[in-house]
This record gives sequence, structure tokens and C-alpha cells, in this order.
Amino acid sequence: DTEVTQTPKHLVMGMTNKKSLKCEQHMGHRAMYWYKQKAKKPPELMFVYSYEKLSINESVPSRFSPECPNSSLLNLHLHALQPEDSALYLCASSLTGVGNQPQHFGDGTRLSIL
Amino acid sequence: SQKIEQNSEALNIQEGKTATLTCNYTNYSPAYLQWYRQDPGRGPVFLLLIRENEKEKRKERLKVTFDTTLKQSLFHITASQPADSATYLCALGLLNSGYALNFGKGTSLLVTP
Repeated sequence: DTEVTQTPKHLVMGMTNKKSLKCEQHMGHRAMYWYKQKAKKPPELMFVYSYEKLSINESVPSRFSPECPNSSLLNLHLHALQPEDSALYLCASSLTGVGNQPQHFGDGTRLSIL
Repeated sequence: SQKIEQNSEALNIQEGKTATLTCNYTNYSPAYLQWYRQDPGRGPVFLLLIRENEKEKRKERLKVTFDTTLKQSLFHITASQPADSATYLCALGLLNSGYALNFGKGTSLLVTP
């Protein structure tokens, strides 16, 4: 079991739907990350939150909207997605996000856009 | 352009041998380098971190080296076991991007009995 919990594990949605991905950690980490991973590709960074503030947005389309309600929770709100957005979405956390620290990953949400 | 290259997409070795995986990078000045293991359908799991001023790091059967002159890291698994079969990812942490990680494409390791 991982210490970073992501829900749901699988999500199928249409291009007009609105849905949210949720990530939770209780390790006291203050940096949280969203990555997108396509099949047989490495994870690609989307967003970084540090102390509940968005610190990095890797030019992600506005149909992806992150939110960090508190230090333990990270959401990714989805709206009007395209079929090419189908992928594994990984959440990760690290102690502070400043300095050399390992990242702890959840097992991801497998997203399919119809 | 910046590149992280892992030596091969797939590596097959026999149980008991040492697996050596390579990570090369260009146009980066990484503060540190990390190695992760990823199993199918799971998130990456952190294995080892090595800083730019360190030459070698060990953890049980794992060893990582980091040569900033060659711009290369080697990842060794000694006495390999079938349970070591997985994809191994190297990742660079960059000072100017808040230490966000950039990952290589990974090497798929298969250890056969």
C-alpha cells in the first residue's frame, strides 16, 4: 500500500463531463505534485504545490484545474477533456519541495476520455 | 535541448547476475539525481538519491554512481532476482524549477530464473 492515496482508481468520462481526481497524504508533506503518464512513457510534470500555493504550472491547458484545499489534499478538476488526455494521472508528495527530497507517488487514476 | 537518456528500453539478464542500467543527460546541470522503480499499473517507488557532490551511494543490493563530468549515472542491482523485474526510471532534479523532477524514459528490466 502506498502512503499517497488517489481516488478514483479508474475514471471514464465523456468530453463534456466535469469530474475531479483526488489525492490525499498524511505524512505531513508540504509539497504535492500532479504528473501525467501515457503508456510506455515517463511521468510528465503538470503542477507543483508548495505550502498550498501553486508554484509550478508546466503550461497545462486550462481544462485541467488544480486545487490544494489544505496541506493533505490535492484535487485535479477536469472539464471538456479531449481523447488525447486519456492517461494515468499520478499524484506525488515530498517533505517541502525545496531541496533534495524523494517523492512519494500514489498508484494513479487511470483516465479514459470517450 | 535538454535530454535524459536511459541506455536501453529493455534489459534481460539471468538471475544472480548484476544488472547495470545507464542514465545519460545533456544540457542539464542537475543538483541531484534519483532512481525510481515502477511496476505495471503502479506509481513509481523511490529507490535512491545521489547529490552532485557524491560519487556513489549504496542501499542493500543497489548501488548508484554519479559522474557529473561524464554526465552519467549508473544503477547496479547485484545478485538480481526475478522480483527485481520492473521498469527503472532515472530523474533529475533541477534547481531552477523548484526541484521538480524530470524523468528519463525508463529501462524495462527482466530477470529470468
